[in-house]
Amino acid sequence: NAGVTQTPKFRILKIGQSMTLQCAQDMNHNYMYWYRQDPGMGLKLIYYSVGAGITDKGEVPNGYNVSRSTTEDFPLRLELAAPSQTSVYFCASSGGIWEPQHFGDGTRLSIL
Amino acid sequence: DQQVKQNSPSLSVQEGRISILNCDYTNSMFDYFLWYKKYPAEGPTFLISISSIKDKNEDGRFTVFLNKSAKHLSLHIVPSQPGDSAVYFCAANGGSNYKLTFGKGTLLTVNP
Repeated sequence: NAGVTQTPKFRILKIGQSMTLQCAQDMNHNYMYWYRQDPGMGLKLIYYSVGAGITDKGEVPNGYNVSRSTTEDFPLRLELAAPSQTSVYFCASSGGIWEPQHFGDGTRLSIL
Repeated sequence: DQQVKQNSPSLSVQEGRISILNCDYTNSMFDYFLWYKKYPAEGPTFLISISSIKDKNEDGRFTVFLNKSAKHLSLHIVPSQPGDSAVYFCAANGGSNYKLTFGKGTLLTVNP
């Protein structure tokens, strides 16, 4: 019973490098989300998707891109890594508006 | 502007006693509220929710109370157990807006 799976768990990037954070869910949820959590702060929404082919910006989208080609996968792309993007990134999914979001275990990303 | 506020960064209680975690919100459009629990190096785990048509929801040792006029909700844990030690996040969304807004979290420590 995997739920939401995120890879990698940890990554160190150099400034200017790019990478993709992977997120997959096996619950057939239409809604998927990407959050970042900075130390001592709550989770902030980066991007979300309401179904395959449909994505939209959240609260802090600058510096990130997403795609949703399938129901299961929702990758997050960092094109030009900056130190301000050092954070823990969480992916989540839910089955509907009135259903709770289920989270993966996060990717801890450091930009040096 | 913080729309969901958890004013206590930390709370310490004795095992067997009641833990009360508080959350205030400012957006009157919020009508669905959730509590998540988070252990270190893991993603948030859904705990309990309440919609604005109710003022109380119970699930085992966990009870959430909602006071709409005061824009305040609280989570009661009775009796508290050492395994409840974690960071607790309050979150809210409004109607057709399925994007959650999170508080900064409260670290609960339950001492044996």
